[in-house]
Amino acid sequence: AQSVTQPDIHITVSEGASLELRCNYSYGATPYLFWYVQSPGQGLQLLLKYFSGDTLVQGIKGFEAEFKRSQSSFNLRKPSVHWSDAAEYFCAVGYWSSGGYQKVTFGTGTKLQVIP
Amino acid sequence: DGGITQSPKYLFRKEGQNVTLSCEQNLNHDAMYWYRQDPGQGLRLIYYSQIVNDFQKGDIAEGYSVSREKKESFPLTVTSAQKNPTAFYLCASTGRRNEQFFGPGTRLTVL
Repeated sequence: AQSVTQPDIHITVSEGASLELRCNYSYGATPYLFWYVQSPGQGLQLLLKYFSGDTLVQGIKGFEAEFKRSQSSFNLRKPSVHWSDAAEYFCAVGYWSSGGYQKVTFGTGTKLQVIP
Repeated sequence: DGGITQSPKYLFRKEGQNVTLSCEQNLNHDAMYWYRQDPGQGLRLIYYSQIVNDFQKGDIAEGYSVSREKKESFPLTVTSAQKNPTAFYLCASTGRRNEQFFGPGTRLTVL
């Protein structure tokens, strides 16, 4: 069965510092992988996605992620964090169920705190 | 602009009352989903629908019901059978490669 693990529940970084959020997935085939961001009381916004091809994908707001098949990982990175990046981040894997339905499994999220 | 709308943004329910949450999309997506979000638990799938007049139970469907009479609309009813309905509810639709687009959410509180 497919699953997504985000091992860090909460991360604190200083403004201007680099950021890496970890994500590991379990899925038998080539996955569709996503990172979403959620501000308090809001819906989820798609940051970036990986379907195939180049394993380093660029997203919005200066974020990037690298797909590493050997490690089953899809870590999110940003070279310099801004205070406005404080939010909750969700990693997700998209797949087709045995019944032919499109489905997505989400990790439990990582809350990012940015300190001045 | 294409997107997903949810209404109301805040909803209060009395004990024993059914309430319906609205979800509309103009993205021309076939598949739509309802998730429940509780602090520290991520997103849990309630119901999903791949096409009109078809829907499937997700992981936590008990106490909820849905309908899909139009491609654009996927309302969720929280029935009195749902014992702990206070949560944040998110509606989503899915593009061709499973990327999901979310509405702004409805926060339901039981009084």
